[in-house]
Amino acid sequence: AQSVTQLDSQVPVFEEAPVELRCNYSSSVSVYLFWYVQYPNQGLQLLLKYLSGSTLVKGINGFEAEFNKSQTSFHLRKPSVHISDTAEYFCAVTPRGGGFKTIFGAGTRLFVKA
Amino acid sequence: SAVISQKPSRDICQRGTSLTIQCQVDSQVTMMFWYRQQPGQSLTLIATANQGSEATYESGFVIDKFPISRPNLTFSTLTVSNMSPEDSSIYLCSVEGGAYGYTFGSGTRLTVV
Repeated sequence: AQSVTQLDSQVPVFEEAPVELRCNYSSSVSVYLFWYVQYPNQGLQLLLKYLSGSTLVKGINGFEAEFNKSQTSFHLRKPSVHISDTAEYFCAVTPRGGGFKTIFGAGTRLFVKA
Repeated sequence: SAVISQKPSRDICQRGTSLTIQCQVDSQVTMMFWYRQQPGQSLTLIATANQGSEATYESGFVIDKFPISRPNLTFSTLTVSNMSPEDSSIYLCSVEGGAYGYTFGSGTRLTVV
C-alpha cells in the first residue's frame, strides 16, 4: 500500500521569496511521483512528474522537484514566487505496473503575499 | 494531453434529488476516473469507468448512490443520487493516469441544501 504525507497544510510566503512544499511518501513498490496544482475554482493541473532518470525534474511555471529515494521525499520548490502562484498543491504517487491507482496527499495551501 | 469539458461547473440542489455530471473528452480514452474532493480535503477515487463494461467502484462507494455511464470512448456521466448535505463536494472527472499523470476536468462544485 502507498501513502503520501504533505508536511505543511498551509505555507504563507512573500512575493519573490523562495518556497519549498514538502512531500514524503511510503510504498512497498516503486512509484511514479507527481505534483498537481489547483487554482481557486478550478480542477487540478499537472505541474510535473518523476518517472525515472534525473532526480531533479522541472515543471511548468518555474517549479521543480527533487526525488530523494533514501528519504522517500519529493519536495516541490520555486526560487521566486508570484501572487499568481497562490493555490492548493497536491503531491501524488502511482505504483509502477500497478494500473492507475493513484494516492493523493492532503494538499498544501500556498498563499503568496504582496 | 486530452482536454476535458465538465458540466455543470456548480449547482445548488435540494436534498433527496439527483444531479448528473457530464464529462466530454476531445479524444478517445479507454479509462475515465471520477473523484470526489470534500471541503478542505484531498481527492478520493469514486470509480473507474471503462467503455462497454460496468464501472469499478472503490470501497465506500456504491452504484446505487453514484451510477456511472460510459456510452462511448469520449463521454461519461456520474449521477449523485438521493443527495444529502454530506454529498456537498467538488466532483472531478479525469483521464489518462498511470505514468502520464491525470488530466482533470474543471470540476463540479455541488452544494446540497
